[in-house]
Amino acid sequence: NAGVTQTPKFQVLKTGQSMTLQCAQDMNHEYMSWYRQDPGMGLRLIHYSVGAGITDQGEVPNGYNVSRSTTEDFPLRLLSAAPSQTSVYFCASSYNSPQETQYFGPGTRLLVL
Amino acid sequence: GNSVTQMEGPVTLSEEAFLTINCTYTATGYPSLFWYVQYPGEGLQLLLKATKADDKGSNKGFEATYRKETTSFHLEKGSVQVSDSAVYFCALSEGDYKLSFGAGTTVTVRA
Repeated sequence: NAGVTQTPKFQVLKTGQSMTLQCAQDMNHEYMSWYRQDPGMGLRLIHYSVGAGITDQGEVPNGYNVSRSTTEDFPLRLLSAAPSQTSVYFCASSYNSPQETQYFGPGTRLLVL
Repeated sequence: GNSVTQMEGPVTLSEEAFLTINCTYTATGYPSLFWYVQYPGEGLQLLLKATKADDKGSNKGFEATYRKETTSFHLEKGSVQVSDSAVYFCALSEGDYKLSFGAGTTVTVRA
């Protein structure tokens, strides 16, 4: 099993550009989520999904879109990047809910200039 | 809403010292509580968890007890090693499909 994979590992964007952060898992997990990690603020939930076709907002959803067309993939889209979105992004998955063990990807470091 | 408060770091210890990281929480019901650890350059991984009051989670020599009366879930280890150097996150989930994290505590263990 590859577990949870994320691409790219590092990305530099200019303000206003768009991009998609990819996340995939091969554990047949229903629950997937995206977090951003900022110094002194821990991890904050952006969006989550409880299964294919079902997504919902977390704590800091503004500026981000998600979709879940398959069980395996949960991409995060930045439609118009802003410097405030400079952060490290983590994708995580678990069988059915965050009350079970969550498996995290290695992270994507994003710099918006 | 739900929230988690952790002791601020960074914490620097010598090998074989005792480690305590305080964690308190605010929740409306009966959350599950977690400690996640992030080693340098990696994603987070679950260290231990407890799902009800008075439960004790343990793993790799770390322990934490779910104290409902003090709304706390403090992490302890009796004798730390250099390999325990990491960032430790306390977190809670209350069945609303969301996991709330504390700010994290950076621990450095010196040989």
